[in-house]
Amino acid sequence: DADVTQTPRNRITKTGKRIMLECSQTKGHDRMYWYRQDPGLGLRLIYYSFDVKDINKGEISDGYSVSRQAQAKFSLSLESAIPNQTALYFCATSAGVSYGYTFGSGTRLTVV
Amino acid sequence: QKEVEQNSGPLSVPEGAIASLNCTYSDRVSQSFFWYRQYSGKSPELIMSIYSNGDKEDGRFTAQLNKASQYVSLLIRDSQPSDSATYLCAVTVSGTYKYIFGTGTRLKVLA
Repeated sequence: DADVTQTPRNRITKTGKRIMLECSQTKGHDRMYWYRQDPGLGLRLIYYSFDVKDINKGEISDGYSVSRQAQAKFSLSLESAIPNQTALYFCATSAGVSYGYTFGSGTRLTVV
Repeated sequence: QKEVEQNSGPLSVPEGAIASLNCTYSDRVSQSFFWYRQYSGKSPELIMSIYSNGDKEDGRFTAQLNKASQYVSLLIRDSQPSDSATYLCAVTVSGTYKYIFGTGTRLKVLA
């Protein structure tokens, strides 16, 4: 099994729909992150969490919300999806700022 | 705004050659630097980390850091077609627990 698992792998949804992307990890890391990747823009941080009670906004949090259900689970929600949220979404975990990230396999989201 | 700059490429090198990938950053007090490899449609994979000035070698990969000039490089020796990917540079943001990623350099190794 992968260390960081994201579901679904691919999703097509309609404008205005609510959608949840899920992430679970077996690394035992406290730190979890959600990024989106767009061509030419690189990886941009949406939200991050250092434990179940610690949630922080990243640089592009508008239109998104998160839930840290347990140390191992961190979900990203799009409350009302819009087409410019079409992107590749990655969950990542880290043991600390000096250790780098372990990424999940990604969710390709298309909003039509 | 802290920034990390990479040439988008593509950088084309023949098989067996040395590929040199460069990254500059704006935050003078960044402490940790990382290189990730990302194959098309896949997730980034950590391949090198470096924290001190100088070179760090791991197999065919060498990371080079020069904090005075604010750049970090990745050298890939004996390049193989399987090294063809996008290479992302990431730098910690001082005073935070976050990283900034460059937009990546696409490397093509020609057989």
